Amino acid sequence: NAGVMQNPRHLVRRRGQEARLRCSPMKGHSHVYWYRQLPEEGLKFMVYLQKENIIDESGMPKERFSAEFPKEGPSILRIQQVVRGDSAAYFCASSGSKDTEAFFGQGTRLTVV
Amino acid sequence: DQQVKQNSPSLSVQEGRISILNCDYTNSMFDYFLWYKKYPAEGPTFLISISSIKDKNEDGRFTVFLNKSAKHLSLHIVPSQPGDSAVYFCAASLGNSIGATNKLIFGTGTLLAVQP
Repeated sequence: NAGVMQNPRHLVRRRGQEARLRCSPMKGHSHVYWYRQLPEEGLKFMVYLQKENIIDESGMPKERFSAEFPKEGPSILRIQQVVRGDSAAYFCASSGSKDTEAFFGQGTRLTVV
Repeated sequence: DQQVKQNSPSLSVQEGRISILNCDYTNSMFDYFLWYKKYPAEGPTFLISISSIKDKNEDGRFTVFLNKSAKHLSLHIVPSQPGDSAVYFCAASLGNSIGATNKLIFGTGTLLAVQP
């Protein structure tokens, strides 16, 4: 049973470009969470999604960031018009329900140049 | 506003001795606490957790202690092994079980180095 798969592992974008980060949850998991880890900081919650629904996006920046988890396919975290401050490690976690442990992927390290 | 704090950025311990990692929190509404271990270039891995109704939870070499009045928890690893060398994150949840909400508030982490 494959774990949570994130791709790409490393992503380099120039300022102003778009970044798309993908997360395939563990098989059978329908709950996805995105976290961001800035340098020298802990992980910070961004958004919680179930299939086709955003449940809690209280940690998402108000502009340029969006997330989706379609009925088919991976969850996507999209960052438009990236800036240097978006450089961070982005982690996705999935769980089978809201009451079970979430497992983390290996993360996508975004570098904005 | 850092609601979960790990004031020691690093800790070095001799193999076989006890490692004690500390964590403080400010929000008295937190009712579930977790410890995660993270190796470089990998995602966090769940280690152990404790509900706010308990003051101790033990799993093999790992024990977590919770002092609600002091808003303090600690992770004890004994005996420490070189393979335990990693960054350890303390996290808190407003849910009442391990995943009632996976909206976790993480500390900044403590880098543990276990010397052979």
